[in-house]
Amino acid sequence: AQSVSQHNHHVILSEAASLELGCNYSYGGTVNLFWYVQYPGQHLQLLLKYFSGDPLVKGIKGFEAEFIKSKFSFNLRKPSVQWSDTAEYFCAVNVGGYNQGGKLIFGQGTELSVKP
Amino acid sequence: DGGITQSPKYLFRKEGQNVTLSCEQNLNHDAMYWYRQDPGQGLRLIYYSQIVNDFQKGDIAEGYSVSREKKESFPLTVTSAQKNPTAFYLCASREHPYNSPLHFGNGTRLTVT
Repeated sequence: AQSVSQHNHHVILSEAASLELGCNYSYGGTVNLFWYVQYPGQHLQLLLKYFSGDPLVKGIKGFEAEFIKSKFSFNLRKPSVQWSDTAEYFCAVNVGGYNQGGKLIFGQGTELSVKP
Repeated sequence: DGGITQSPKYLFRKEGQNVTLSCEQNLNHDAMYWYRQDPGQGLRLIYYSQIVNDFQKGDIAEGYSVSREKKESFPLTVTSAQKNPTAFYLCASREHPYNSPLHFGNGTRLTVT
């Protein structure tokens, strides 16, 4: 069965530290990849997405992610976190690609706490 | 404004009763989804529908049922067969093609006692 795995459940960082959140998926076919963020008390919102082309994608608020097909990974990075980045981060995989696949599955989420 | 409406926000039921959660969208999206969000488990896919009158089971469909008779509506019924129904339920939709992002509703928190 397809699945998405996020390695870290809770990450605690100080402001200005660098961030990398891991995401691996299990599916051998075409995928589209997403990172969503959920700030406290708010809806999930899209941070960035990959569907083709350059495997390094840039999103909002200085976030970026790199798709490594051989490793089935899509890790999220930010060079310097801020207190306002405190949130829960979800990796999601669209199985089947942009034209055939309607199934979108999420990882377990990683809670990020940034200390001021 | 376009969006997804889930109602009610809070729902309480006795064990053994079926309950239906409403989800309506006016975004003209083809695809609609139901997820269950539990602490530490992320969002788990219950059912999804890519087109009217068609839907597929997600990863945790047991004890749930859905219908998609209209494009804008995708109600979820939590049946008495669902062993652990107390949870936060999120409805979402998106347009085709499937690299487009999801739009989420505000969610319904269901408590079964």
